[in-house]
Amino acid sequence: EAGVAQSPRYKIIEKRQSVAFWCNPISGHATLYWYQQILGQGPKLLIQFQNNGVVDDSQLPKDRFSAERLKGVDSTLKIQPAKLEDSAVYLCASSLLGTAESSYEQYFGPGTRLTVT
Amino acid sequence: AQSVTQLDSQVPVFEEAPVELRCNYSSSVSVYLFWYVQYPNQGLQLLLKYLSGSTLVKGINGFEAEFNKSQTSFHLRKPSVHISDTAEYFCAVSASKIIFGSGTRLSIRP
Repeated sequence: EAGVAQSPRYKIIEKRQSVAFWCNPISGHATLYWYQQILGQGPKLLIQFQNNGVVDDSQLPKDRFSAERLKGVDSTLKIQPAKLEDSAVYLCASSLLGTAESSYEQYFGPGTRLTVT
Repeated sequence: AQSVTQLDSQVPVFEEAPVELRCNYSSSVSVYLFWYVQYPNQGLQLLLKYLSGSTLVKGINGFEAEFNKSQTSFHLRKPSVHISDTAEYFCAVSASKIIFGSGTRLSIRP
């Protein structure tokens, strides 16, 4: 079974530039998550999708961050314009929709390490 | 609101020694509890989870954790660590959504 795929793995941009990250979840997983992991901290949930609908985006800085999952499969996360404090690893995860047990078990991708200079 | 605290940011231990990584949580409702491991330059991998039932939970790679409701703790243990256990370990709590602790870096000395 293929895991969660993310690209690119690394990205370096200057502040005020824009950047986009891509995520392909595990086949059949209805729920998709984007996390921000700043160095030395645990992952922080940015947005959660169920199929192509947003379940929770309460911690997404909506003035500069946006995310979409148009067909309920792949997802993109965009930052425009980037700030220095956006430097972090951006993790994508997915889980099954079904029982409470399966929906809480998340499978993570390798992440995209973003450096804003 | 829910929160999770990992009391130790770093834990150094010798190879084949036992280890305990501490995790405390707070929540006004029942929660699910998890431990994830993150190897260098990789995503997180689920070690074990407590959803209900037995308070002693066994996971992969010889790890286990015990849910203690009265002390609101979910400490992770392994009786004998290996060099390959070097990683960062995250405790997480989930009620309406999952919240991760700040992580504990486990370093193994030969």
